[in-house]
Amino acid sequence: GESVGLHLPTLSVQEGDNSIINCAYSNSASDYFIWYKQESGKGPQFIIDIRSNMDKRQGQRVTVLLNKTVKHLSLQIAATQPGDSAVYFCAENSGGSNYKLTFGKGTLLTVNP
Amino acid sequence: EAGVAQSPRYKIIEKRQSVAFWCNPISGHATLYWYQQILGQGPKLLIQFQNNGVVDDSQLPKDRFSAERLKGVDSTLKIQPAKLEDSAVYLCASRVGETQYFGPGTRLLVL
Repeated sequence: GESVGLHLPTLSVQEGDNSIINCAYSNSASDYFIWYKQESGKGPQFIIDIRSNMDKRQGQRVTVLLNKTVKHLSLQIAATQPGDSAVYFCAENSGGSNYKLTFGKGTLLTVNP
Repeated sequence: EAGVAQSPRYKIIEKRQSVAFWCNPISGHATLYWYQQILGQGPKLLIQFQNNGVVDDSQLPKDRFSAERLKGVDSTLKIQPAKLEDSAVYLCASRVGETQYFGPGTRLLVL
């Protein structure tokens, strides 16, 4: 299971730099993964997803990498902007066709202008 | 397209009182979820509906929490009686295809 705590992992970057946020997932049978962005006072916002039969997927300024061997996901954000500052969560679907998501603990990204 | 709507946005109650949260999913989304998000943690699934039927309520504390989706559209989550540890944000999400879309949440503080 996951460790529980009030202190999120944090990542601080300069505006314009690339950011890499990492996530370890728990269930080797999970077949679908999503990254969400959550700003203060708001609900999680979908960023990008990837199926387990892929190892890389690209969106606008974002790339998700999946390494099933070590059960690891990463989210790369290119040319990070102040508006990217938020908590980022990875989630895995462990519920098959029911799409039951299990969320990781989150990473707080702070972008310095 | 309108997003998932939730109300109220904030609620403060005393322990042992009851409280209810309302969710209106995105139009046409048959699947609806309720999550609890404690400060500093990721959302945790409480219950999942498909139309007006429960798909999964294995993590719902049924001695105090209840939820319904009577007409397969709006849903209500109730806590009775509330405990201090119920202080959290309660998120509603609806799904089309593989993607879940979240509402803004209801922030509950139990004193």
